Parts: sequence; C-alpha cells; structure tokens
Amino acid sequence: GENVEQHPSTLSVQEGDSAVIKCTYSDSASNYFPWYKQELGKGPQLIIDIRSNVGEKKDQRIAVTLNKTAKHFSLHITETQPEDSAVYFCAASSDNFNKFYFGSGTKLNVKP
Amino acid sequence: GAVVSQHPSWVICKSGTSVKIECRSLDFQATTMFWYRQFPKQSLMLMATSNEGSKATYEQGVEKDKFLINHASLTLSTLTVTSAHPEDSSFYICSAPRAGLQETQYFGPGTRLLVL
Repeated sequence: GENVEQHPSTLSVQEGDSAVIKCTYSDSASNYFPWYKQELGKGPQLIIDIRSNVGEKKDQRIAVTLNKTAKHFSLHITETQPEDSAVYFCAASSDNFNKFYFGSGTKLNVKP
Repeated sequence: GAVVSQHPSWVICKSGTSVKIECRSLDFQATTMFWYRQFPKQSLMLMATSNEGSKATYEQGVEKDKFLINHASLTLSTLTVTSAHPEDSSFYICSAPRAGLQETQYFGPGTRLLVL
C-alpha cells in the first residue's frame, strides 16, 4: 500500500515569513495529492490540490509543487499570518475518488 | 458552506453501549464514503470504505463487527461503534468524493466520541 511521509512535524515561523512542508510517497500509481488544514476540534479542510499531470499549482499565498520522478510534493505558504496556524496534512491517492493516505501532519505556528 | 455534515458533533457514552454516527452529503450524491479515525495529535487513519447498496470494505486491523457501517442511501452513511470501550474514544471523521467542478473529497466536521 501507499506510504506517505511528512516533514517537519512542527514548524514555527515569524509572521510574514514563508513556510514549507514536504511530503514523500511510495506508490507510483498515486496521481492526486491534496493538502488539508485542520484546526483544533474540526475536520480537515482542503486548501489546495495537485494532479500528477501538473508540476506546480498556485492559489494566492499557497502553492504546491510535485516531483513525480522523486515522488515528493511540497506545500509553500508565503507571507504567513497568525490565522495560518493549524495542523497541515498532505495526502496521496490513486484518484480523488479513492481512499486517501495521509501524512503524519505538521503543526504550523505563526508568531505575530 | 459545508458539503458534508456529521451528527452528532460530540457524544459521551458509558462503556458497553453502542453509538451511531451519521455522515451526510448535503447537496450531492455519494455512492462511496470513507470513515477515518484520528487520535489526539495524530494523523487520520482510514477505517473503512462505505459503499451504497453493498458491504463496507474494512482496512486491515479494523474489526468489522465492532464498527458497523451502513450506507443506506446516496447521501447517508452511518458508523455504529458497538459495545464501546474507553479505547474507542477518538475523533471520527467521514469524507465523500464529489464529482463536478470542484472534484475532490470533502470531509465532515468530525464527531468526538468519549467512552467513560
């Protein structure tokens, strides 16, 4: 089965700085890679996703890059704000209708 | 707005009782839904795939007689934790894939279960 590893487990940045979270996956059949933000006591919310036919995707301050050859993908948040503080999870799937395999999560703390 | 709802949002029960959690897709139909379990400060672990009109598919290590799943309609899946014990206390989250313009999976807000 798929194995998704995520680093770092915790990340502290100063407000306005950038944050980068990295994930690797093992199954070359995986072709859909979403990123979720989870606040305490709530369900995960999709913030951005990327499919394997694309190398990079950007949405305002958030971007995701994918390297299929190396089997890794990264989340980039620029100009971080205190409200970005949360736990972020990466996931991999063979398609967006199939089961997701999640990374272990990264707790992001943005200091004002 | 929310596209997947869960009910209840939290529940406290005594050991040995059964608890039912509902997952609803609000404005779309879902022939498949997924149930996850999340312990504090840990990741989401897939428990089972709920299939409308057929039996659920359980992940390895998940007791199907302990966690009963019923997908009775295209918008509703239920997870019943039978004879709950304190170790079943967890955060249970469902998800449903949605086709169309924003084709992805949407997660419910989760249900916090505390077994005393």
